[in-house]
Amino acid sequence: DAKTTQPTSMDCAEGRAANLPCNHSTISGNEYVYWYRQIHSQGPQYIIHGLKNNETNEMASLIITEDRKSSTLILPHATLRDTAVYYCIVPLSGGSYIPTFGRGTSLIVHP
Amino acid sequence: KAGVTQTPRYLIKTRGQQVTLSCSPISGHRSVSWYQQTPGQGLQFLFEYFSETQRNKGNFPGRFSGRQFSNSRSEMNVSTLELGDSALYLCASSLDGNRIYNEQFFGPGTRLTVL
Repeated sequence: DAKTTQPTSMDCAEGRAANLPCNHSTISGNEYVYWYRQIHSQGPQYIIHGLKNNETNEMASLIITEDRKSSTLILPHATLRDTAVYYCIVPLSGGSYIPTFGRGTSLIVHP
Repeated sequence: KAGVTQTPRYLIKTRGQQVTLSCSPISGHRSVSWYQQTPGQGLQFLFEYFSETQRNKGNFPGRFSGRQFSNSRSEMNVSTLELGDSALYLCASSLDGNRIYNEQFFGPGTRLTVL
């Protein structure tokens, strides 16, 4: 199955771009990458998803490498409210529905 | 549009008891999934229901079960509670579009403590 690997933690200065990497080297051609975040004591929040093209919405941008083995979530101007755990998941893997969130990346945005 | 609601928000039970948690999805959403979140294991998928049928299942023992009603509301049940069942239980709903998996909207969770 397409497991994902993310750094345990990262930090970023307020106002700067936060770039969160995710490795999904075993992803298959028709499997999407999804990103969520979880602010302390709340349920996870959907951010963005993509297949092979770069995607952008009001929250973030998603850059997927051409070989699709990794992706980067970009928060262009991080704020203190972006401090959260960020999860990269490949919910469909080998034809099976396995939305495994794992531990994610704890992003701390500091003043 | 109202978000996903879960009741109760907090629950304390003792070992051996059973518990039922409830989830009301966003209006129009027909898929409801349940997750368990613990500090040790992170966020793990329990099962997914669609049209009153369990469509997908994670790797949890049979003590964990669920059901979905015709109005898409869902309940999950844990029987014979163990200390290790203490966790935040999250419910998520999604539209069932043209992809097998669609972005999910999570509720605030039910914090279960087993003593």
